[in-house]
This record gives sequence, C-alpha cells and structure tokens, in this order.
Amino acid sequence: GAVVSQHPSRVICKSGTSVKIECRSLDFQATTMFWYRQFPKKSLMLMATSNEGSKATYEQGVEKDKFLINHASLTLSTLTVTSAHPEDSSFYICSVSTQGGVETQYFGPGTRLLVL
Amino acid sequence: GENVEQHPSTLSVQEGDSAVIKCTYSDSASNYFPWYKQELGKRPQLIIDIRSNVGEKKDQRIAVTLNKTAKHFSLHITETQPEDSAVYFCAASTTGNQFYFGTGTSLTVIP
Repeated sequence: GAVVSQHPSRVICKSGTSVKIECRSLDFQATTMFWYRQFPKKSLMLMATSNEGSKATYEQGVEKDKFLINHASLTLSTLTVTSAHPEDSSFYICSVSTQGGVETQYFGPGTRLLVL
Repeated sequence: GENVEQHPSTLSVQEGDSAVIKCTYSDSASNYFPWYKQELGKRPQLIIDIRSNVGEKKDQRIAVTLNKTAKHFSLHITETQPEDSAVYFCAASTTGNQFYFGTGTSLTVIP
C-alpha cells in the first residue's frame, strides 16, 4: 500500500496561534487526500477532501476558514488550524486514496494537537 | 448520505476464541467495504476489504462476509490472539473515494 507520513506527530500550541500539519504521500502521486479528525475512543470524522490543484471540499459543519487545506502538489497536502482554541485539540489524520481500480485509503500516522 | 452502523462497541473474548463484528449500511450503491484496525495512538491499518461482487473473502485468520440484500457485512477473526486487541472500524464507500466509517469496536483478547 501507499506510504503516508505526517508532520509533526505531536504539537502543543497556545490558544490563538495557527498550526500547520503536513501530509505527504511518499511513494504515490495522490490526486486526492482526505483529512480526518478523531476524538478519543471515537470514530474517524471526515473533515474535507483535498484535491490537487483545486479547492478542498469540506464536510458539513466544518469551517473552511478555520481549517485551511492546501494541496499544491501530488505528494503534499497541508491542513492549517487557524486561531486554534482548546476545543480544536484532537488527533488529526490524513489519508491517501489509491485509484486505478484499487480504491482503498492509506492513513498517515496522525498528528496530536493540544491547544492550551 | 450513507449511514454505517457498527456493533458491538466493545467485545471481549478469550484467547483462541472467535470474534465477530457486524456493520450495516444504508446506501445500496455502496460497493466497497474495507476494515481497519487501529491500535492506541496509531494510524488505522487496512486489514481486509471486500467488493460488492464478492460474498466472502478470507485472509488467514481474518474473513469478511457481505450480504448485499440485507446490506450488512461482518468481520470474523478466528483463533484470536492478544495482539488482535485493538479498535476495528468498518467503512462503506459509494463513490470509490469517500469513506463512511462505523463507530468502531474495541476488541480485547484475554490471555
């Protein structure tokens, strides 16, 4: 399967600051990446679908101005949490969709964000 | 949109016994059903998947069955081992890209 990395793995920031999370597809050119949020002991909540070279598609209830997504290349998508607040603290995971008849998703290792 | 339900939310089995996790989906257009295993603090890992043109698929101790008529699919783990302890998520895909995940099952295998 595809190899996906995320950086940073863990970040602590002060309330009001912005945090950028990178998702890289290391061995696969991904036209589509997904961003999920996961609360403790909860399921994966899809936040947005990131398409290379175009605007991301956000799920209902997800603030696009709060969670900025950029997918500038086939191997990199970034999620920026702007003006972070304690309620934004969560585990953020990206995934890469493989296509060409094999439609599964491979996940990055996740980024744990703690906003103080 | 698609709605995926997963049961049970927690499951404890004795080592060596079998474990079964069930999921139902609502959209008859769904045609791809993966299962993921997630250990604490780690990424979800694909363990097995099945497409709508197949009724059953097996990979060593893991098997998945699909009933399209009833719109449900199940994960079967035989001869469970302590390292099988994790949270398992099912998912259903309608477009080939967007996944709808179940709520997860926390499996504990008791040595």
